[in-house]
Amino acid sequence: GNSVTQMEGPVTLSEEAFLTINCTYTATGYPSLFWYVQYPGEGLQLLLKATKADDKGSNKGFEATYRKETTSFHLEKGSVQVSDSAVYFCALSHMNNNAGNMLTFGGGTRLMVKP
Amino acid sequence: DTGVSQNPRHKITKRGQNVTFRCDPISEHNRLYWYRQTLGQGPEFLTYFQNEAQLEKSRLLSDRFSAERPKGSFSTLEIQRTEQGDSAMYLCASSDYTEAFFGQGTRLTVV
Repeated sequence: GNSVTQMEGPVTLSEEAFLTINCTYTATGYPSLFWYVQYPGEGLQLLLKATKADDKGSNKGFEATYRKETTSFHLEKGSVQVSDSAVYFCALSHMNNNAGNMLTFGGGTRLMVKP
Repeated sequence: DTGVSQNPRHKITKRGQNVTFRCDPISEHNRLYWYRQTLGQGPEFLTYFQNEAQLEKSRLLSDRFSAERPKGSFSTLEIQRTEQGDSAMYLCASSDYTEAFFGQGTRLTVV
């Protein structure tokens, strides 16, 4: 079956540091890949996505590239801010007539950015 | 606000009681999903509706759980005879054919 593995947190960085959160996946075929962010007390918000190999998703300074050869979708940001502190989830979906575009999530990585 | 709305936001119940949660999706979305998220974990799929039809149920959805989506609009998730292991955040999401939008969730605590 499908699965997503992401690095365990918490990841603690100083403001303006470089961020990488690793994500690898196992799936048949060509899933779509996503990063979601969850701020304290809130639901999940889509951060970025990529739907085919070599696509790069980007939003709010975050980027991730769909690497089929390494089955990876690592999240990066060049300069983090305190406001980026949140939990980040990597996820994949397959279009499936019975389950729509059901998402399979990784376990989440908590990011803490200190001033 | 035209996002996904879930009620209540928090629910504390005694073990053995029944609880019901409601989800109002984005109005033009015909796909609706329920997920469960336990502390420190990623969300896990529970069930999927396309319009009013429940097309997929996870094996996580035991016989004590039932979900409905009458008329293809709002959805309810009922848990009967709650157990302490049911304590979690229950998330609802809706989508068209692309991106899923999540509600803020209902946090259930079974004491």
